[in-house]
Amino acid sequence: DTGVSQDPRHKITKRGQNVTFRCDPISEHNRLYWYRQTLGQGPEFLTYFQNEAQLEKSRLLSDRFSAERPKGSFSTLEIQRTEQGDSAMYLCASSLGTAGYEQYFGPGTRLTVT
Amino acid sequence: DQQVKQNSPSLSVQEGRISILNCDYTNSMFDYFLWYKKYPAEGPTFLISISSIKDKNEDGRFTVFLNKSAKHLSLHIVPSQPGDSAVYFCAADGHTGTASKLTFGTGTRLQVTL
Repeated sequence: DTGVSQDPRHKITKRGQNVTFRCDPISEHNRLYWYRQTLGQGPEFLTYFQNEAQLEKSRLLSDRFSAERPKGSFSTLEIQRTEQGDSAMYLCASSLGTAGYEQYFGPGTRLTVT
Repeated sequence: DQQVKQNSPSLSVQEGRISILNCDYTNSMFDYFLWYKKYPAEGPTFLISISSIKDKNEDGRFTVFLNKSAKHLSLHIVPSQPGDSAVYFCAADGHTGTASKLTFGTGTRLQVTL
């Protein structure tokens, strides 16, 4: 299977703990995106990378959030000092930067902060 | 502010009939529009897209219509099948020539009944 994969699929953590999610994009895709989806809403853009460069960050991405894409392959999204409001589905997507606009999504990581 | 709106949270259609899902947008900078389908516990799956230079794009049972003057697009599914039952998201992009962040609507849950 050469689709976008995310790990873990589910994460339950206590408030104040740090969590890290991983995304492996489709191998030939140079663009990688992170979105967050809460109940009843559509996905909301958080940040994106072209290769290893982080090109844009949403205002939703507070200082407690950090994303990396070392070597332009997989990406990690870390949330420090989690809050209950961080509970959401975190979606990763990838695309070919110049071949069209279609972004292909992974299955998501559901975070629950208790 | 919600720049992409899907005003119908749900829609029920009989198998074999036409399903019409609607989407409105407010940002005139959007120039590319996409529809995604989402099943529970999965990430969104790309369905069909349309550039602002076109008013119609067709792919099998799926057709997307764009009315730029009204800032309105619609997805037609003909004939509807039970496997089409899912949440459908409309998304918009405003960066011509590159794949960039998507702005999503809140989704419409389609149920196709026998």
